[in-house]
Amino acid sequence: QQQVKQSPQSLIVQKGGISIINCAYENTAFDYFPWYQQFPGKGPALLIAIRPDVSEKKEGRFTISFNKSAKQFSLHIMDSQPGDSATYFCAASASNYQLIWGAGTKLIIKP
Amino acid sequence: DSGVTQTPKHLITATGQRVTLRCSPRSGDLSVYWYQQSLDQGLQFLIQYYNGEERAKGNILERFSAQQFPDLHSELNLSSLELGDSALYFCASSVDSGTYSEQFFGPGTRLTVL
Repeated sequence: QQQVKQSPQSLIVQKGGISIINCAYENTAFDYFPWYQQFPGKGPALLIAIRPDVSEKKEGRFTISFNKSAKQFSLHIMDSQPGDSATYFCAASASNYQLIWGAGTKLIIKP
Repeated sequence: DSGVTQTPKHLITATGQRVTLRCSPRSGDLSVYWYQQSLDQGLQFLIQYYNGEERAKGNILERFSAQQFPDLHSELNLSSLELGDSALYFCASSVDSGTYSEQFFGPGTRLTVL
């Protein structure tokens, strides 16, 4: 019940396309859903986060979509660029829980 | 640059040995987290300290231990090292202990056990 399941494990998208990464959770107490981006040789960095009071949050080309009833959330990267090539981690937490991390998605954007 | 520093950057050692990894959090951050990331694997949460006290424990082996000092820097001690301990070890910090706080990650220490 503590897991966050992330898919796909890897993803190849053409430049200009839409990258979509999905995550699912079981614990209905989770109420904070961040996405972290990790470039090779670097530590992860917070990209965007959402609370369940909204169904969507957009920051530039990055959008989180949240479906509370399905217990799923996803990251959409519009107009994907080679510089977006990185590993993306979803995570979930609540006030009495540690941040639970997804397994990560390695995204490659082909020029 | 996240403001979190980790030393050393690389560490090569032999099985059975003991090593210490060091982390200095961002100025003003009270929480320190340790993570292990094996090759092509996700992040495994090891342990969290908040203002010198252990706050949460994850999948940390008994051979591993950590502490946070009064100046808020933290050390992760790995002993009786095995080949499988080879990994990237990340330290992260946050301003408080809250689970909603953004975690700022350091550049990591790459440990190779031969």
